[in-house]
Amino acid sequence: DVKVTQSSRYLVKRTGEKVFLECVQDMDHENMFWYRQDPGLGLRLIYFSYDVKMKEKGDIPEGYSVSREKKERFSLILESASTNQTSMYLCASSLIGQGSYEQYFGPGTRLTVT
Amino acid sequence: KQEVTQIPAALSVPEGENLVLNCSFTDSAIYNLQWFRQDPGKGLTSLLLIQSSQREQTSGRLNASLDKSSGRSTLYIAASQPGDSATYLCAVASNYQLIWGAGTKLIIKP
Repeated sequence: DVKVTQSSRYLVKRTGEKVFLECVQDMDHENMFWYRQDPGLGLRLIYFSYDVKMKEKGDIPEGYSVSREKKERFSLILESASTNQTSMYLCASSLIGQGSYEQYFGPGTRLTVT
Repeated sequence: KQEVTQIPAALSVPEGENLVLNCSFTDSAIYNLQWFRQDPGKGLTSLLLIQSSQREQTSGRLNASLDKSSGRSTLYIAASQPGDSATYLCAVASNYQLIWGAGTKLIIKP
């Protein structure tokens, strides 16, 4: 079974703090994704990575950065957390090839910035 | 209220592969459905338009299908090339306005 894990289920941080959200997948997937999910807005793509050290901006990259130093690990970084970044953050991974794009999601990290 | 959904939000495939992009809509009462391409920092380029009475349209390596009853459209890209890398958006003409999907960002790896 594909397993995608995220470092924390719940996180509380203060405004201005630097926040790291870690995601690890164990299925040798090429693609990894970071989304945030907010009520009424659905899932919004922040960044994704299609290979080690490669990254692409999604719909809402402002205020975030990412790091993919190893294939299995994709980190989301909030350089200076703000209250409007309070959200559920979801990591996903997927295979490539033959149009396959089914994404496997981690359990999510609910981040609260106070 | 018409809602348009595109899955996946991002897709990366090796060059040469055939691929399918999906678009779904909630209200089948549409006039037409269009697929667009958007390159970074640039405007939209229309790719294909399917009238509500049609089932599919083809242009070169692109083929778009429409199934109104199920609220779905697919854009099929054959023999993908790095130049196909872009964001692909579908839009439904409904009630005299275009309702947009969020797009699928496609990367074709050489």
